Amino acid sequence: DTAVSQTPKYLVTQMGNDKSIKCEQNLGHDTMYWYKQDSKKFLKIMFSYNNKELIINETVPNRFSPKSPDKAHLNLHINSLELGDSAVYFCASSTGQDNSPLHFGNGTRLTVT
Amino acid sequence: GQQVMQIPQYQHVQEGEDFTTYCNSSTTLSNIQWYKQRPGGHPVFLIQLVKSGEVKKQKRLTFQFGEAKKNSSLHITATQTTDVGTYFCAGPGASGTYKYIFGTGTRLKVLA
Repeated sequence: DTAVSQTPKYLVTQMGNDKSIKCEQNLGHDTMYWYKQDSKKFLKIMFSYNNKELIINETVPNRFSPKSPDKAHLNLHINSLELGDSAVYFCASSTGQDNSPLHFGNGTRLTVT
Repeated sequence: GQQVMQIPQYQHVQEGEDFTTYCNSSTTLSNIQWYKQRPGGHPVFLIQLVKSGEVKKQKRLTFQFGEAKKNSSLHITATQTTDVGTYFCAGPGASGTYKYIFGTGTRLKVLA
C-alpha cells in the first residue's frame, strides 16, 4: 500500500516535448506539493495545493502547470521541455496542519536531451 | 526570502566516528523537521522539534532546536554504513502558505 505514488519513475525525452507526471496519495491528506531536486540535491518547492486549490507557485515558469482533479491527486504537466528541467521531481502530501510531516513519493527522474 | 542553510555540505567519516550537521534559518521558526534521503531514495521524515532548546533522541541520533529557534543540529553517535544519505532540515514558510523550506542538505558518506 504505497502512500504517495508517482508515475513514471523515469522519463527521458527530447527538448521541446510536453510531458506529464502523475501523483496520487491514499493518506487522506488535504495538502499536496511538488518539489524539484537538482543535481546538487537541493530540494525546492514548486507548488502546493490545499483542497484542490493552488496555494503556492514559487516563481515556476508557466511551462509548468499543476492540476489537482481531487484532493488525492496532483499532476504536473510540463510544456516545451528544456535541458534545465532535468531533475528529480518529488510529489509530497501532508495534512496541511502546522507541524505535520511531509510524505514523499519515490520521485520521477526527468532527463531532457 | 526565507533561507535555510546547512553545513557541512558533505561529510565523509569512518564507521564508528561521530557526525554532526548544523541547520541555520534566516528567520525564527515555529518548528523544525528533519528528513533523511538514502541514495536513490526519497526524503523520509525523521523527527520534529517545536520548543525552544528542545532535545530529542532516536537511538544514536540526537536532535536539538536552538534557544532562539533559528538553528538546529543533528548528531549521530558511532556512525554505521546504514547512516549513509543526505540529511535535510526543513522549516515552515509563512503561516497559511502550506510549505516547508528545505535546508541545503548534508551528504554523509560512511567508510567501512
